[in-house]
Amino acid sequence: DTGVSQNPRHKITKRGQNVTFRCDPISEHNRLYWYRQTLGQGPEFLTYFQNEAQLEKSRLLSDRFSAERPKGSFSTLEIQRTEQGDSAMYLCASSLSGQGATETQYFGPGTRLLVL
Amino acid sequence: AQKVTQAQTEISVVEKEDVTLDCVYETRDTTYYLFWYKQPPSGELVFLIRRNSFDEQNEISGRYSWNFQKSTSSFNFTITASQVVDSAVYFCALSGPGSASKIIFGSGTRLSIRP
Repeated sequence: DTGVSQNPRHKITKRGQNVTFRCDPISEHNRLYWYRQTLGQGPEFLTYFQNEAQLEKSRLLSDRFSAERPKGSFSTLEIQRTEQGDSAMYLCASSLSGQGATETQYFGPGTRLLVL
Repeated sequence: AQKVTQAQTEISVVEKEDVTLDCVYETRDTTYYLFWYKQPPSGELVFLIRRNSFDEQNEISGRYSWNFQKSTSSFNFTITASQVVDSAVYFCALSGPGSASKIIFGSGTRLSIRP
């Protein structure tokens, strides 16, 4: 499978617990994005990386959220002290930048989080 | 500010009918990109098309066609001879001039194709 992969696909947790999600981008893609999608809405941008550098963060990304991409390959998104309002689908996307690249963002299957 | 409006929240048609999904956008950028993504029940967003603001030529890909009209800030999507497998939520989206710009999505149109 050469697409974007995300793990786990589903996560149920209790309020106050920490959770971590992983995204593996398409192998040669140097850009990686995180989005959040709530029921009945379109995805909303959270943050993005160029290689290992986190270059933009949305105001939606509160201080309980942290994302890393330590070696410029896979990325993790951690939510600390989860709240019920964090329940959503967390989507990862990757793209290839550079001369001749289309820069199109390709999405993974998402991680669906439910906070009880 | 950038905004994408998909006024049709749900559409239901009978198989083989043609259907058009509307999309209206707002942006102050002179260079921007428009997208359509499909989200089937499995949840994964599937890329369909990306157009830049300087290319108003309409595009056809099989049963899919897109009508970009800058004068009305619209980027509509038509499916000809719809099939049950076309049932999904379709998102229209917009990004700014930077190559790494975040994508702003509309709220989506849920399309149901009845056999």
